[in-house]
Amino acid sequence: GESVGLHLPTLSVQEGDNSIINCAYSNSASDYFIWYKQESGKGPQFIIDIRSNMDKRQGQRVTVLLNKTVKHLSLQIAATQPGDSAVYFCAESPYGSARQLTFGSGTQLTVLP
Amino acid sequence: GAGVSQSPSNKVTEKGKDVELRCDPISGHTALYWYRQSLGQGLEFLIYFQGNSAPDKSGLPSDRFSAERTGGSVSTLTIQRTQQEDSAVYLCASSPISGEKLFFGSGTQLSVL
Repeated sequence: GESVGLHLPTLSVQEGDNSIINCAYSNSASDYFIWYKQESGKGPQFIIDIRSNMDKRQGQRVTVLLNKTVKHLSLQIAATQPGDSAVYFCAESPYGSARQLTFGSGTQLTVLP
Repeated sequence: GAGVSQSPSNKVTEKGKDVELRCDPISGHTALYWYRQSLGQGLEFLIYFQGNSAPDKSGLPSDRFSAERTGGSVSTLTIQRTQQEDSAVYLCASSPISGEKLFFGSGTQLSVL
């Protein structure tokens, strides 16, 4: 079946630096993508989403970039803070919505003091 | 609270027993989802309810798994004759309408001995 994967399982960054988390997807029919953050013992928390008719979307300190040509998604976190330490998941759907998302295995982001 | 509530938070059971997991979605949310998260893995879609429509059960791994949603609100996920491979965190999520961003509960950690 189709899968969503992450290039790096772990990422360590210095506090204040920018973080970039990457995600590759293989389902060419995917038209909706989401990034979630999951802290230990908690459920995933929505960060930002993007539809396939867009290349870039910005939120508060976060930017998602979508490159449909190479099927690549990235999450950029500006001025990374200790509270950003968590596992980050990308997810994709061919339904144009959050229905029946396929999640990647996650990237552990650790923010160093 | 205003979030998605799941109970129990932890459940230990013996192989072959049946278990019921409960989800109370955010009030007013019409869409409800169940996902499963195995250790160190991403989330696996199980089932999706939208209003009074027939649920999307395409993610249920076997006929031992079933779910219902009563009155368009509370949902129960039932696993019959549990197996050790059923051990995982079972996450419930709801959204205001179909396709909008999901709000997750903290999950039920199921351990089958």
